[in-house]
Amino acid sequence: AQSVTQPDARVTVSEGASLQLRCKYSYFGTPYLFWYVQYPRQGLQLLLKYYPGDPVVQGVNGFEAEFSKSNSSFHLRKASVHWSDWAVYFCAVSGQGGSAKLIFGEGTKLTVSS
Amino acid sequence: EAAVTQSPRSKVAVTGGKVTLSCHQTNNHDYMYWYRQDTGHGLRLIHYSYVADSTEKGDIPDGYKASRPSQENFSLILELASLSQTAVYFCASRFRDTQYFGPGTRLLVL
Repeated sequence: AQSVTQPDARVTVSEGASLQLRCKYSYFGTPYLFWYVQYPRQGLQLLLKYYPGDPVVQGVNGFEAEFSKSNSSFHLRKASVHWSDWAVYFCAVSGQGGSAKLIFGEGTKLTVSS
Repeated sequence: EAAVTQSPRSKVAVTGGKVTLSCHQTNNHDYMYWYRQDTGHGLRLIHYSYVADSTEKGDIPDGYKASRPSQENFSLILELASLSQTAVYFCASRFRDTQYFGPGTRLLVL
């Protein structure tokens, strides 16, 4: 079955420390992968997206993610976390074109401690 | 960037009543979607549409109807609201392979 797993429901990181949020996907065919962020009581905003090509993609606000076909993973990273990064992060996968649907993981809630 | 708006932003409904959630997008995207989000969970697809006057079922369509009267507007209709439909509902439109989300509607069914 096609699915996305985010194994860490909650992550706490000190401000200024590095961050990695994990995402594992299962998808038949060529996957397109996305990371969205949801700030409190807001909609989802796109952080970055992966299309087949360079496995490392850069996003907004210093975020990047690395695609690994062998590990079926698309982990999100940031070198230095800021308090404003406190949010819920969703990984998602879809196929290409037409009626391709976006399949979401359950999200990882990031808490930033001072 | 896509502009997707939703109304109302929050609503309290009674069990058995009719609820209509509205979504409007200003970027002329073909595809539009309705998702629900339950506390602590990801988004699940209810209905979607790729052209006006046509809608398709998503993964959890039971208890919901959708209507796409124009390119810009996409509504989600709960004919007989139930307690289990308490959730946050998100609308999205899609350009190429990227979906752009509205701010959400928080629905409480009592």
